[in-house]
Amino acid sequence: DTAVSQTPKYLVTQMGNDKSIKCEQNLGHDTMYWYKQDSKKFLKIMFSYNNKELIINETVPNRFSPKSPDKAHLNLHINSLELGDSAVYFCASSQNEGLTDTQYFGPGTRLTVL
Amino acid sequence: DAKTTQPPSMDCAEGRAANLPCNHSTISGNEYVYWYRQIHSQGPQYIIHGLKNNETNEMASLIITEDRKSSTLILPHATLRDTAVYYCIVGGGSEKLVFGKGMKLTVNP
Repeated sequence: DTAVSQTPKYLVTQMGNDKSIKCEQNLGHDTMYWYKQDSKKFLKIMFSYNNKELIINETVPNRFSPKSPDKAHLNLHINSLELGDSAVYFCASSQNEGLTDTQYFGPGTRLTVL
Repeated sequence: DAKTTQPPSMDCAEGRAANLPCNHSTISGNEYVYWYRQIHSQGPQYIIHGLKNNETNEMASLIITEDRKSSTLILPHATLRDTAVYYCIVGGGSEKLVFGKGMKLTVNP
């Protein structure tokens, strides 16, 4: 069974559209994250949630809105998509916040905005 | 910002040990050294971490110098599947993961 899963794996859409990426973890972890990996391969944290509460918001435009319906899910909704949003988005989870707990990453969602 | 420096790339022959260096000269006393790797088109994967003692697990060994200013990740018998970008990350318990540029390891047959 996949520990951290994301859907869809690929997402191609037009500028200005609204889209969502879903993430689910079956590890029983309390903390979940969204990361963005751009075309230069830099991987940066966007958000983290602990027990459904927002912990980290790394100055991400408010077009990005994470939603955590329960501890096992952290979805990412993006409004008014822009060309610069094209990237691979990774979801991750860990038992607790911070570095000391191993983070488990999902397979990524490649978003292409045309 | 990443607190570590790694060479941009390294090659290794299949079956040989791969020794991946990392400098972290500004590490503070309560900061750990973490290693993750990212195989092409996959999400990052945790490898190992340590504070000051050497550590070993089923994937790798981590050797941290006595002054803790540098460390080496050792893959004892590299395979083609170990080809990946390896990230050395330094931080304290409550900090977030900050990925730098990493080092591309290519294992050659």
